[in-house]
Amino acid sequence: NAGVTQTPKFRILKIGQSMTLQCTQDMNHNYMYWYRQDPGMGLKLIYYSVGAGITDKGEVPNGYNVSRSTTEDFPLRLELAAPSQTSVYFCASQGNYGYTFGSGTRLTVV
Amino acid sequence: KQEVTQIPAALSVPEGENLVLNCSFTDSAIYNLQWFRQDPGKGLTSLLLIQSSQREQTSGRLNASLDKSSGRSTLYIAASQPGDSATYLCAVLYSGAGSYQLTFGKGTKLSVIP
Repeated sequence: NAGVTQTPKFRILKIGQSMTLQCTQDMNHNYMYWYRQDPGMGLKLIYYSVGAGITDKGEVPNGYNVSRSTTEDFPLRLELAAPSQTSVYFCASQGNYGYTFGSGTRLTVV
Repeated sequence: KQEVTQIPAALSVPEGENLVLNCSFTDSAIYNLQWFRQDPGKGLTSLLLIQSSQREQTSGRLNASLDKSSGRSTLYIAASQPGDSATYLCAVLYSGAGSYQLTFGKGTKLSVIP
């Protein structure tokens, strides 16, 4: 049971660089989400998807993009990384028994 | 806009004590409420899920209650152990912006002292 798998676990980016955070789930869930977690701020929703080919913005989408070409994969793209994007990023999927989270990606932009 | 508040922000108890963590939400039109545990530097582990039609759920030493009309939930931990030390997050699933949205509280950091 892999659940939700995120890669990489850690990454350091320079300002202006781009990268893609990968997220894969093997539970055939339609709903998938990307959150960021900052100290003392709780989790904020970046983007979500209700199924393959359908994505929508969450609370803090600026500076990010997503795609959902398959049910399993929901990558998060950072273009022109900024120090404000230093955070821990969590991917999640939603099934009948609630949410399942990945183990997170810790990103530092320097 | 749904807002979730958790009180207290931090709690320290001696081992063996029973304790209660509180969660409140502003919009009672929720589908479910979920309690998570997060260990330092780790992801979120689901503890209990309460559907909107339910009043409580139990798993081992954990019991979560839901009073939707008053916008409150509690997580009761019996006979606390040092291994229970973690941050506990409450989240509510509701319909917002045309889709389901999961909104989190900021968490309660629990320390159980041996």
